[in-house]
This record gives sequence, C-alpha cells and structure tokens, in this order.
Amino acid sequence: SQELTQPPSVSVSPGQTARITCSGDALSKQYISWYQQRPGQAPVLMIYKDSERPSGIPERFSGSNSGATVTLTISGVQAEDEADYYCQSADSSGKYHVAFGGGTKLTVL
Amino acid sequence: QLHLQESGPGLLKASETLSLTCTVSGAAISRTDYYWGWIRQTPGKGLECIGSVDYSGTTYHTPSFKSRVTISVDTSKNQFSLKLTSVTAADTGVYFCGRHVIVPAAIWFDPWGQGTLVTVSS
Repeated sequence: SQELTQPPSVSVSPGQTARITCSGDALSKQYISWYQQRPGQAPVLMIYKDSERPSGIPERFSGSNSGATVTLTISGVQAEDEADYYCQSADSSGKYHVAFGGGTKLTVL
Repeated sequence: QLHLQESGPGLLKASETLSLTCTVSGAAISRTDYYWGWIRQTPGKGLECIGSVDYSGTTYHTPSFKSRVTISVDTSKNQFSLKLTSVTAADTGVYFCGRHVIVPAAIWFDPWGQGTLVTVSS
C-alpha cells in the first residue's frame, strides 16, 4: 500500500519561506492534498490536486509535484501558520485506498 | 456554508460497537456529486480514512476496516452514520466526519467536522 513520508518537523522565522515535503512511490500517478491542523482542531484543506487552493486559503500557501516528491510551500510565514501539516493521497492500487503522511510540525521561531 | 457535526457516545468498552452520527447543514446530503465519510486520528496510526458513502448508499471502505465497518446515509435527516464493531483500545481516538470529494486520480476531504473523542476501555 501507499506510504507517504514527511519530515517530522520544520522550523522557520517569520517572513521566511517554509517548504514541507512529502515523498512516496506513486506520487506521479495520484494527486496530493495538504491539510493544516492546529492543536485541538480539525484538519483544514489547504491544497488539493497538488496545487489547487480552496477559496479562503491565503495565496502564500502553494503546492507543487515533481513526481517523486510533492512540496507544500508557505511564503512569508506568519506566526498563525504554526501547526501540523499532513499530505494525503489515494493509493495507486485502487480507487479508494487513501494514505496520509505522518505529519510535519511547523514551528515559527 | 457547509457544516458537519459528529455525535455519539464518547466512552466504550472493548468488544462493543462504536456508533457515530454526522449531521450535515448548509447542503443537501442527497447531492449526487459528493460523498460523505469518516476519518479518524489515533495515537498509534495517525490519520486514517475509514470510508465514504454517497446519497444512494453506495459505500467505499478502506480495506483494513472493511470487515468491521458499516457506513449508512439517511437523506431524510441529512445525516450519515458510522458503526465499527468489536472495538479495542487501538480504536481510541478522534473521529471526524466530513465531505469527501472523489474524482479520477484524486480524493480529498473538505470540510471536516470538529471531531469527537472516542475512548475504548478494557
């Protein structure tokens, strides 16, 4: 089954750019979504289909897919962006095999 | 604005059946282009998708849950439900309901309910 690997933590200073990666075997065949989860809250969809941004999500959040690695980029990081971020894909072996990455804790220094 | 709210018992004993209901407001659950489903977050396995159901009752289940899970929909109440049988301590976690979007080569979840904590005691 699909496994998605994320770095456990990323730290940046306010105003800098944060890049959170997600790697897996079949990323070139499936679209990735990204979720932000603040403590005690439900995850919020930030990016879908690799790079599409839902309405209401700030433009500083963007996504890209190079085939083997997918990246969530947060430009001009703000203190409020400190949260856990999860990538998610559908397993390439079937229509409904969903995989989540283990999550990355973004710390704003 | 679409809003989802989970409800159900928060404390179970091992071997019992977990039953949760999700009430949808702001959109008709009978919409043909949406699925509705359940995701849980446990200390042991993190985020796991359990399954989805559409307006007609067609369901999709993650294979690891298939033998224990029933997901159903009640369009008259704008609700859908989850039943998970034979629970163990490993099923302890926060259960989220949400709208599931399923298109070719992609699945995503938006929005999510606030989540409900389910604790299984031995």
